[in-house]
Amino acid sequence: GAGVSQSPSNKVTEKGKDVELRCDPISGHTALYWYRQSLGQGLEFLIYFQGNSAPDKSGLPSDRFSAERTGGSVSTLTIQRTQQEDSAVYLCASSSGLAGANEQFFGPGTRLTVL
Amino acid sequence: QQPVQSPQAVILREGEDAVINCSSSKALYSVHWYRQKHGEAPVFLMILLKGGEQKGHDKISASFNEKKQQSSLYLTASQLSYSGTYFCGTSRGDKLIFGTGTRLQVFP
Repeated sequence: GAGVSQSPSNKVTEKGKDVELRCDPISGHTALYWYRQSLGQGLEFLIYFQGNSAPDKSGLPSDRFSAERTGGSVSTLTIQRTQQEDSAVYLCASSSGLAGANEQFFGPGTRLTVL
Repeated sequence: QQPVQSPQAVILREGEDAVINCSSSKALYSVHWYRQKHGEAPVFLMILLKGGEQKGHDKISASFNEKKQQSSLYLTASQLSYSGTYFCGTSRGDKLIFGTGTRLQVFP
């Protein structure tokens, strides 16, 4: 498809386990973002990749969270030693060109539940 | 740094108008507006850029006061399909930071 895809769509894990969430952006989009949305809440910025520049990690809530983007395309968000408060929907978005000047296209999200 | 939206919630009858406001304490490069329906991903509505340029849907209107770092989204003659949560996002040229959201419900 032509849109942003994310996998898995749902993930249930036990407290203390590590999880990896994947995002496939729209082909050719240079910018990629990760957001977290807790139940009934807003979109919390996590990390932002723009082209070959160093990512903006200022939104990552703790050092248990990390993300990488390989080859300027696919991105993986990793959460180590998951906690119950990590339960949320994790949304990925991509855009072409400068982040502030272009529409963001969102993926369907990954719903993470930490038991 | 997170923009503030008001009101937090709006209830409308079909055909009524509404205004949603977004304000920031920092000088802005752009303001974005998105709508999210329950259980779905946010969908783009509009971008307003410093200098007056706008990109978005013809049926949605918005304003951007650069001096006051404020933006307003105008929903006229509301339809049932307008229901959802509206988020503004502000950018100083790089990443987008989203506001707290405004929940809009339109009833017949």
